[in-house]
Amino acid sequence: NAGVTQTPKFQVLKTGQSMTLQCAQDMNHNSMYWYRQDPGMGLRLIYYSASEGTTDKGEVPNGYNVSRLNKREFSLRLESAAPSQTSVYFCASSEARGRTTYQETQYFGPGTRLLVL
Amino acid sequence: AQSVTQPDIHITVSEGASLELRCNYSYGATPYLFWYVQSPGQGLQLLLKYFSGDTLVQGIKGFEAEFKRSQSSFNLRKPSVHWSDAAEYFCAVAERFSGNTPLVFGKGTRLSVIA
Repeated sequence: NAGVTQTPKFQVLKTGQSMTLQCAQDMNHNSMYWYRQDPGMGLRLIYYSASEGTTDKGEVPNGYNVSRLNKREFSLRLESAAPSQTSVYFCASSEARGRTTYQETQYFGPGTRLLVL
Repeated sequence: AQSVTQPDIHITVSEGASLELRCNYSYGATPYLFWYVQSPGQGLQLLLKYFSGDTLVQGIKGFEAEFKRSQSSFNLRKPSVHWSDAAEYFCAVAERFSGNTPLVFGKGTRLSVIA
């Protein structure tokens, strides 16, 4: 049982390049989330998926797209990276069985550190 | 909109000393309240949470937190800090009757532990 896994761990991009951050969970959770963490800003929600087949914008969705590929996987895509997207990205999941999503404990992956030059 | 304030950006305590990390929230009704810890280079891990009932909540690693409605606070405490407690601590709140309104995190308090 690996919990929440993220790939890659580190990535350096040039401005304008695209990339996809991968996230998978093996806990059979319904809900998944993408956050970014910047110094002094805490965690800010980019997108979330309350259940398989649905996605919704969070606080800072501009410049990102997501895909809930199946129940296990939730990917985050940067179509044209910008230096402002330099950050640490965390994926999380929660069980959320028929209840309000945010009542649930969220389980976090180890993060992806992204540098955009 | 709800908000979470952690007034202390960085706190340094001596090993064995007591610890209190402050968290205040702004919301009309009692929200769901959480404390998460992030060790260096790691993701976040839940320490404890408050949904209802006893306002003193026990968590993992010897931590506890007390919900005080009158002060809109949910402060985290530990009676004796260990060097391994050095980490960043985040308070978070979720609206109680909101459907899927996102969890809101505070900006975090970094804890340093000295010998």
